[in-house]
Amino acid sequence: GAVVSQHPSWVICKSGTSVKIECRSLDFQATTMFWYRQFPKQSLMLMATSNEGSKATYEQGVEKDKFLINHASLTLSTLTVTSAHPEDSSFYICSARGATGRSSQGYTFGSGTRLTVV
Amino acid sequence: AQSVTQLDSQVPVFEEAPVELRCNYSSSVSVYLFWYVQYPNQGLQLLLKYLSGSTLVKGINGFEAEFNKSQTSFHLRKPSVHISDTAEYFCAVSNTNAGKSTFGDGTTLTVKP
Repeated sequence: GAVVSQHPSWVICKSGTSVKIECRSLDFQATTMFWYRQFPKQSLMLMATSNEGSKATYEQGVEKDKFLINHASLTLSTLTVTSAHPEDSSFYICSARGATGRSSQGYTFGSGTRLTVV
Repeated sequence: AQSVTQLDSQVPVFEEAPVELRCNYSSSVSVYLFWYVQYPNQGLQLLLKYLSGSTLVKGINGFEAEFNKSQTSFHLRKPSVHISDTAEYFCAVSNTNAGKSTFGDGTTLTVKP
């Protein structure tokens, strides 16, 4: 089945530094990937939709200059949290549509990245 | 616009008991419906989905869900739960065209021995 690999699974960084999170579709081409943020005991909040070869579409209230998204190939999307602050600490999850790219496939999720900014 | 309401934030049950996790949705267009499970510090895993056809859909791990269009519901059920079913469960709705999903707030299922 479709597999999405997310790396790293957890990261601790100092306030003011930048952190890059990678999301790879291992056995299918994902023209569209999605980035979510999840606070403890809460649901997923869609941050942006990442489209291969074009600019990401950000949800309202998400700072595009702070959360840089690059979808350089059909199998890789990256999220860079720039100048991270403690309030950016969260669980970040990526997902891609199923192998056919149709919304009826549902999403295949990465395993998530726990970011802690100290 | 579409929205999802999971009616129970927490559901505690004893092992081998049946369970139902409730989900209601609203949408002005046709939608696909999904249930996902999330174990601690992990991503989400698709349990089952409703696209069209039979209103009763079966998924992995013995779960099933029934789509009720008149009540705009998509409740998740399992006749006999195991300790290993303890997890967070999310109901989601996706616009058939746009593909972007909206998630409910989640239901924490805790199975006690």
